[in-house]
Amino acid sequence: TQLLEQSPQFLSIQEGENLTVYCNSSSVFSSLQWYRQEPGEGPVLLVTVVTGGEVKKLKRLTFQFGDARKDSSLHITAAQPGDTGLYLCAGAVGSSNTGKLIFGQGTTLQVKP
Amino acid sequence: EAGVTQSPTHLIKTRGQQATLRCSPISGHTSVYWYQQALGLGLQFLLWYDEGEERNRGNFPPRFSGRQFPNYSSELNVNALELEDSALYLCASSWETQYFGPGTRLLVL
Repeated sequence: TQLLEQSPQFLSIQEGENLTVYCNSSSVFSSLQWYRQEPGEGPVLLVTVVTGGEVKKLKRLTFQFGDARKDSSLHITAAQPGDTGLYLCAGAVGSSNTGKLIFGQGTTLQVKP
Repeated sequence: EAGVTQSPTHLIKTRGQQATLRCSPISGHTSVYWYQQALGLGLQFLLWYDEGEERNRGNFPPRFSGRQFPNYSSELNVNALELEDSALYLCASSWETQYFGPGTRLLVL
């Protein structure tokens, strides 16, 4: 059974602080995706990483895929209240085109003004 | 270009009834994935359809079933509803990355 352990589960910080969310597994994934979900809505894709060691930046968000493609991290610099939401990592099993996704439990982030 | 659409947005049923949820993928996408997001349990993979065929299913009982139509839209059917089936049901369409619809919130009373 493939599992993705995501930590921390909850994070409450002040505006301007930095934070890192981790996603770890004993399985190797062909790709890993990060999503952000608002209450009552579907997850919205933030980024997909496919190459071991890959680093992608999206404004104040930095995503990294581990060299062995078993772990990933999301770092947010100078968090803002608009970053509040549920962050989910998901690993693709099978081919990189159509593998099913295994989701982490999610990290609920609250950024207080 | 329209994203993944789902209907209805909300559905209220009673125990023992049947529920039908619908999903239309992004144009050109042939794969549809269904997930259940129950409170406190995270997203659980339900079913994967591609080119009209069921390709894989998650660890759910047979009363969860579905189909994919020639236009690649999909239906999820849940028979003999139980209280614990209350959840947000999400559909995703994929080309190389899965894009999610807004979900159908099912409440079983």
